[in-house]
This record gives sequence, structure tokens and C-alpha cells, in this order.
Amino acid sequence: DSGVTQTPKHLITATGQRVTLRCSPRSGDLSVYWYQQSLDQGLQFLIQYYNGEERAKGNILERFSAQQFPDLHSELNLSSLELGDSALYFCASSPYDRGDEQFFGPGTRLTVL
Amino acid sequence: GENVEQHPSTLSVQEGDSAVIKCTYSDSASNYFPWYKQELGKGPQLIIDIRSNVGEKKDQRIAVTLNKTAKHFSLHITETQPEDSAVYFCAASGDGGATNKLIFGTGTLLAVQP
Repeated sequence: DSGVTQTPKHLITATGQRVTLRCSPRSGDLSVYWYQQSLDQGLQFLIQYYNGEERAKGNILERFSAQQFPDLHSELNLSSLELGDSALYFCASSPYDRGDEQFFGPGTRLTVL
Repeated sequence: GENVEQHPSTLSVQEGDSAVIKCTYSDSASNYFPWYKQELGKGPQLIIDIRSNVGEKKDQRIAVTLNKTAKHFSLHITETQPEDSAVYFCAASGDGGATNKLIFGTGTLLAVQP
């Protein structure tokens, strides 16, 4: 158990809908990272927040957005969902802003029908 | 663009044998190279990492080597056990060495046969 929690574990929704994934980092960690894992794209970095501020951006679609709240939990919002958005979404946390020692949560499996 | 190639995609070894997984990265500015183990239904777990100022790092049965000139790094697991069976991912810091932008390899499915 990494200490990172993610909810929900599974999410099934329809195309065009909007969903919110939630992540709570390990106690004391200030950085939260979001990743997408799919069979065709592999594990891809989406975005990082450090102590409430966006710190780095990867291959994140404009339909996706994230934020980190004062209590350091983070939410990833996915809108106008397409079939191709079906994937595992992982959150990771670390004490640092530079990306070392990331600890991953158990993930949220999103299925778009 | 930045890329990390990982080989082999699948690896089957007998219990007690060694396993080696190799990765090649494209960004010469990469300076941080973690390895993750992912078991079925779980998130990736950091097992070892190395920074560019070090050529080798060892932690019990796991070691990582880095050749910056050739832009290669490898994971070595000795005395493999059935519980080592999992998918292993290498990663390299991307975007000019930004360690918070990891580029992942495509994964190696390691099967340790008892």
C-alpha cells in the first residue's frame, strides 16, 4: 500500500459525459501527478501540481483539467468523453516538486461506452 | 520526440535465474531513471532509481546500470522468485531533463517459473 488513495476504483459512463477522479496523496507529500495508462499509448504523464500550483504539463488533452486543493487532494476532470478515453488513470504523489520518488495510487479504471 | 525504448516485451525465466531488462532513451539531457514494478490490478511501484551522476546502483537482488554515452540503462534482478513476476517499466526524465516529466517505456512482462 503506497498511501495514495484514489476514488472511484471503477467508473462506467457514456460518450459526451463528464467525470471527476479524485486523489489523496501520501501524508506530507506536496506533489500530485496524473497519468493515463492505455494499451495503445502505454503510461503517459498528464499533469503535475505542487502545493496547489500547476508545475508541469504533459500530453493532457484540452478536454481534461485538474486542480489541487488546499488540503492537497487533487481532482482530474474529464469532459466530452470519447471511447478512446477509456483507460486506467493513476495518481502519484511525492514530497518534491522535481519528480523524484513518485508513489502511485491503485488507479481508477474508466470505461466510456 | 522524446522516446524510451524497452526490451524485451516479455521475459520468462526459471526461479533462481537472473533477469535483465534494457532501455534506451533519446533525450541526452535526461538525468533521472526510475524503474517501476506493476502487479496485476495495482499501480506501479517504484523499485529502484538512478541519477545521471552514478553508473550503477544496487539494492539487495536488484541493480540498475546506466551508460550515459550510449543512452542505455538496464535493470538486473538476480535469484528471481515467483513473486518477482510482474510488468516492469523503465522511465527517463523528459523535456530537457525535467525529472517531473517522466517518459515511460512500453513495459516488460516478467514471468518467473517455479
